[in-house]
Amino acid sequence: NAGVMQNPRHLVRRRGQEARLRCSPMKGHSHVYWYRQLPEEGLKFMVYLQKENIIDESGMPKERFSAEFPKEGPSILRIQQVVRGDSAAYFCASSPGTSPQETQYFGPGTRLLVL
Amino acid sequence: AQSVAQPEDQVNVAEGNPLTVKCTYSVSGNPYLFWYVQYPNRGLQFLLKYITGDNLVKGSYGFEAEFNKSQTSFHLKKPSALLSDSALYFCAVRGYYGGATNKLIFGTGTLLAVQP
Repeated sequence: NAGVMQNPRHLVRRRGQEARLRCSPMKGHSHVYWYRQLPEEGLKFMVYLQKENIIDESGMPKERFSAEFPKEGPSILRIQQVVRGDSAAYFCASSPGTSPQETQYFGPGTRLLVL
Repeated sequence: AQSVAQPEDQVNVAEGNPLTVKCTYSVSGNPYLFWYVQYPNRGLQFLLKYITGDNLVKGSYGFEAEFNKSQTSFHLKKPSALLSDSALYFCAVRGYYGGATNKLIFGTGTLLAVQP
């Protein structure tokens, strides 16, 4: 059973470009979470999605950031007009259901560098 | 508000000695507590969790953690440290309010350095 897949693993963008990060959850998991890890900091929650629905986006910046988890295909975290402060590691996690007891399993992350 | 504190940025321990990585939490309602480990340039690997029941939880790679409700702590322990245990360890909490979000609240992480 493959784990959570994220691509690309590394992404370099110039200021003003768009960054698109992809996450495929573990087989059988229909819940996806995105977290951001800034340098020298812990992980911060960004958004929680189920198929075709955003459940909690309380950690998403109000502008430039968006996320989706379509019926078919991976979850996408999109950052428009990137700035240097967006440089970070972005982790996706998945779980099979909604119970708070369930473990979230993490992908290897996408490391975004904005030049 | 939910929060997690890891008071030590770094813990140094000699190979073969017992190790403890500290974590305290603040949450309303029943706490669900997790420990993850992160190796350099890798994602987080799940170690163990406390949901209910026995206060001593056993997890992967010989790690265990003790839930202490009165001290609101969930310290990670291992009887004998290995060099390969050197990594960044994160404690996380998820509070449950009967329908609240499933997001994890992470501590800032503790770097464990095991010396030969």
